[in-house]
Amino acid sequence: GIQVEQSPPDLILQEGANSTLRCNFSDSVNNLQWFHQNPWGQLINLFYIPSGTKQNGRLSATTVATERYSLLYISSSQTTDSGVYFCAVVSGSRLTFGEGTQLTVNP
Amino acid sequence: ETGVTQSPTHLIKTRGQQVTLRCSSQSGHNTVSWYQQALGQGPQFIFQYYREEENGRGNFPPRFSGLQFPNYSSELNVNALELDDSALYLCAGSKGKTGELFFGEGSRLTVL
Repeated sequence: GIQVEQSPPDLILQEGANSTLRCNFSDSVNNLQWFHQNPWGQLINLFYIPSGTKQNGRLSATTVATERYSLLYISSSQTTDSGVYFCAVVSGSRLTFGEGTQLTVNP
Repeated sequence: ETGVTQSPTHLIKTRGQQVTLRCSSQSGHNTVSWYQQALGQGPQFIFQYYREEENGRGNFPPRFSGLQFPNYSSELNVNALELDDSALYLCAGSKGKTGELFFGEGSRLTVL
């Protein structure tokens, strides 16, 4: 099956810093989503982005499907950005998740 | 607000018991998928239902079964519970088989 790799696995930032999270996938996909999982386990949709670039406030994402990677940019990070960020790709009927990036933003 | 609600939010069972988890999704979400998330890992695909029929299954044994009802609500049933079934179970609704997925808050199952 398709493989999804996220990097880095852990990231610690000071409030106000910028960061880039990467997602590589091993095969063609129908679609790609980025999620933020809060401490209570809720997966919050950030982006639904099969290709191109999207922006939502301080967050933006770029997917280059031909090169099989996606990037999530977080600018001016805040403590509330802490949590686990997952990339997930749609192949067939299933969403395959990476192992996530654990982000900690310190005040 | 994702429009997907799950119940119960937490439950504790003992090994060998059976459990039923429930999910309801807003109208328009004609596809429901279930995922298992063990501690410290990404969610793993269990199965997907589309128009009340199973449409894809992950690497889970037959004791994991599901149903989708005409109103798009769904159930996940797990028989003969094992300790390793302890996990967060997530339900997701979508429009179509490959549409954007919206997740509920999950049901956290502990098997003792």
